[in-house]
Amino acid sequence: DAGVIQSPRHEVTEMGQEVTLRCKPISGHNSLFWYRQTMMRGLELLIYFNNNVPIDDSGMPEDRFSAKMPNASFSTLKIQPSEPRDSAVYFCASSSTRQTNTEAFFGQGTRLTVV
Amino acid sequence: SQQGEEDPQALSIQEGENATMNCSYKTSINNLQWYRQNSGRGLVHLILIRSNEREKHSGRLRVTLDTSKKSSSLLITASRAADTASYFCATGANSKLTFGKGITLSVRP
Repeated sequence: DAGVIQSPRHEVTEMGQEVTLRCKPISGHNSLFWYRQTMMRGLELLIYFNNNVPIDDSGMPEDRFSAKMPNASFSTLKIQPSEPRDSAVYFCASSSTRQTNTEAFFGQGTRLTVV
Repeated sequence: SQQGEEDPQALSIQEGENATMNCSYKTSINNLQWYRQNSGRGLVHLILIRSNEREKHSGRLRVTLDTSKKSSSLLITASRAADTASYFCATGANSKLTFGKGITLSVRP
């Protein structure tokens, strides 16, 4: 398996534009996490899905952020409209919770810069 | 909000020395995990310890867990320059995985 695949790796956009980040989890994993990492706030859990269903989105900063998981092999995180304070590295991770106590596998991240 | 809180925030040691990093958490957990992150990369899982375990080893890594104190420690023995990275503890509960802010470890050659 190629691991968790995120795209794009880097994104530079102007304030007010829509940004869509993409994630392909590891085949067979049934949990998917979106995290945001900044120097100031560290690694924040934004939302996680279990069996394609959003379980906890309490970490989503505001209504400008939305996430979907239309099927087991794809998820998106959308920011509309984007703002400079959204600049961060966004990580997607997947794990299998069919067994208890499993590790999460991370993608390489998307570095987002909003100017 | 952060569940796990690591300390120290930064640690600098000489190659060959041992590095000890601590993590405290607030709520009940199913397991606690430690991850490493090299600069500009994603996090990589190091070791997982279940809530009913007290100690676990993996190569040069030793993890302890004290659920009564809600704390864990990660010991890296005989450190190498390649161990230079950020280390995070993560608490797992009900499929949710929450990370601390991390510890920056620098190993001087």
